[in-house]
Amino acid sequence: DQQVKQNSPSLSVQEGRISILNCDYTNSMFDYFLWYKKYPAEGPTFLISISSIKDKNEDGRFTVFLNKSAKHLSLHIVPSQPGDSAVYFCAPVNSGGYQKVTFGTGTKLQVIP
Amino acid sequence: NAGVMQNPRHLVRRRGQEARLRCSPMKGHSHVYWYRQLPEEGLKFMVYLQKENIIDESGMPKERFSAEFPKEGPSILRIQQVVRGDSAAYFCASSPASGRKTSSYNEQFFGPGTRLTVL
Repeated sequence: DQQVKQNSPSLSVQEGRISILNCDYTNSMFDYFLWYKKYPAEGPTFLISISSIKDKNEDGRFTVFLNKSAKHLSLHIVPSQPGDSAVYFCAPVNSGGYQKVTFGTGTKLQVIP
Repeated sequence: NAGVMQNPRHLVRRRGQEARLRCSPMKGHSHVYWYRQLPEEGLKFMVYLQKENIIDESGMPKERFSAEFPKEGPSILRIQQVVRGDSAAYFCASSPASGRKTSSYNEQFFGPGTRLTVL
C-alpha cells in the first residue's frame, strides 16, 4: 500500500534552471506535507513544509505547491545550484495521528554545472 | 546543541547474530521515531516511543525486532537473529512533542543513520 508516490526516480537540471519535483498521495488524512533533502551517508534534513490549508509556501529559492483536490504537490527550486544535488523525499504527515512521517521513494536530483 | 546521535554508524553482523542500534535524541526531546530504509526505497516508519513507553509500533516486524526508550540512556533498536533481508539503513528521529491532540506538526530531526550489513 504505497500512499506516497514520487514517480520520477531521478532528474537532471542545468545550473540556474528550475527543478520541479512531483509527489502524489492517496491518504486524505495527511494535513502537513514536508520535503526532506538527503545527502549520501547522512540522515534526511528538513527543507520546507506546507499545511493543507495553504496552496503555496515559499522559502528563498524553494517553493512548494499543494493541490489538495488532485492530491498532488510539487517542489520548485529556482535557480538550481550544484549544491542542491541530493535525494528529495516528499513526506506527508497526519498530525492527528502520532505524526509518523510517510516517506515517498525519493527523487535523485542532479544539478549540472 | 548536538543533534540526534546514532551509533554505531556501521554495523556488520553474521546471520543469526543480534544487532543493537542506539539513538540519543536531541537535548530536550522526549520523543523518538525509528525508520528503516531498504536499498532503492524510501524510509519506512517502524516505531514511535516516548520515555519508557512504546506509543506506535505498527511498522515493526512482528518477530525479532524490539525497541525501547528507557528513562535514562539512549533508545535501543534490537534485532535478534538477523537475516540478510535486515540489511538496511536505520534512521532515528527525535521531536520535542507529539500526540494525537495536537493540531500542529512537530518537526522531527533525523540522525545520520546506522548502516547494518548482514553477511
